[in-house]
Amino acid sequence: DGGITQSPKYLFRKEGQNVTLSCEQNLNHDAMYWYRQDPGQGLRLIYYSQIVNDFQKGDIAEGYSVSREKKESFPLTVTSAQKNPTAFYLCASSAANYGYTFGSGTRLTVV
Amino acid sequence: KNEVEQSPQNLTAQEGEFITINCSYSVGISALHWLQQHPGGGIVSLFMLSSGKKKHGRLIATINIQEKHSSLHITASHPRDSAVYICAVRIQGAQKLVFGQGTRLTINP
Repeated sequence: DGGITQSPKYLFRKEGQNVTLSCEQNLNHDAMYWYRQDPGQGLRLIYYSQIVNDFQKGDIAEGYSVSREKKESFPLTVTSAQKNPTAFYLCASSAANYGYTFGSGTRLTVV
Repeated sequence: KNEVEQSPQNLTAQEGEFITINCSYSVGISALHWLQQHPGGGIVSLFMLSSGKKKHGRLIATINIQEKHSSLHITASHPRDSAVYICAVRIQGAQKLVFGQGTRLTINP
């Protein structure tokens, strides 16, 4: 079945460490996105990519980095520069004129 | 003011009741999405609308482009419908979605 796979489901990080969240899709979608969700708030866009080797900052990109070396993969790195990294992170993909497909999310906790 | 507003924020109802969740937006859009998020966090896309009405099982979504308003209805609600329902719009000329804050629905048996 086609879909988006996010891993891991839960992730714990020590302060000052970088951590990378994985997002893989086998839907042949061109566009991929990373969103952050905090309690009581709507999803906010971190980064998005419309084609391989290209990506744009979203509304809250500071402290995050991404790469898009393959169409199927869009990993997100949460760097030590992100002051409040504890959150729920969702990856999504879309194709032109079609809806979005979301992953199951990664819950990151800084300890 | 958020570009996408949902109401109510929380809704509790008894099994079998007819449910309505509303979404208003203030920008020009190319499409509106209704999403469902269960307690585990994963999100499922329910509908994508650009006009009119869509129905899937007990779920109905409508949109009025002139009034910039959409509704999600659930008929014969069931406890398994308990989830957070999120409205999101695709702004005209943009690739990204803008999300409402969600409506937490609880259906009691």
